[in-house]
Amino acid sequence: EDQVTQSPEALRLQEGESSSLNCSYTVSGLRGLFWYRQDPGKGPEFLFTLYSAGEEKEKERLKATLTKKESFLHITAPKPEDSATYLCAVRNQISGSARQLTFGSGTQLTVLP
Amino acid sequence: KAGVTQTPRYLIKTRGQQVTLSCSPISGHRSVSWYQQTPGQGLQFLFEYFSETQRNKGNFPGRFSGRQFSNSRSEMNVSTLELGDSALYLCASRTVSNNEQFFGPGTRLTVL
Repeated sequence: EDQVTQSPEALRLQEGESSSLNCSYTVSGLRGLFWYRQDPGKGPEFLFTLYSAGEEKEKERLKATLTKKESFLHITAPKPEDSATYLCAVRNQISGSARQLTFGSGTQLTVLP
Repeated sequence: KAGVTQTPRYLIKTRGQQVTLSCSPISGHRSVSWYQQTPGQGLQFLFEYFSETQRNKGNFPGRFSGRQFSNSRSEMNVSTLELGDSALYLCASRTVSNNEQFFGPGTRLTVL
């Protein structure tokens, strides 16, 4: 059974204080690791997809990296508007043509001005 | 391009009733997936539809069902509602060849 564990559960940063969020996964044949951002009362917003160990993707202050066992979401010089819950999800090879995602419980990030 | 839309946004029902939620995917997206989000269990996969066929189903009881229409719009139905069905129900769509799923704003269902 696929498992996704995110840490920490909650993180408070001062504006400009860089940090990283962790996503550890156990999956039968990784067919994609996904990062989403979710604001309160809204649906998740797609950020990145990573497919193979060593892959990195960047978007503004965010950078996602992938190893064989975990993924990191690095946040450089965060701003208050980066406050949100960040979700990690994986897709396995067993799902075949389907796109069933298994999600972690998320990291709630608060950036203080 | 308009995003995924879900209706209604909020719904209050009582135990034993049934409910139907609607999802309109992004134009050109033919796959629609449904997820349930609760504080205790997080985001859990319900089912995925493509070309009016259910492709995959999560570990939910048969009270949860869905369908997809020829225009790719999808509905999910929950019969005999229980208190534990209170949740945010999210719909996500994608293109045939793409892995990235784009989520709608969700329908907040409260069961009293």
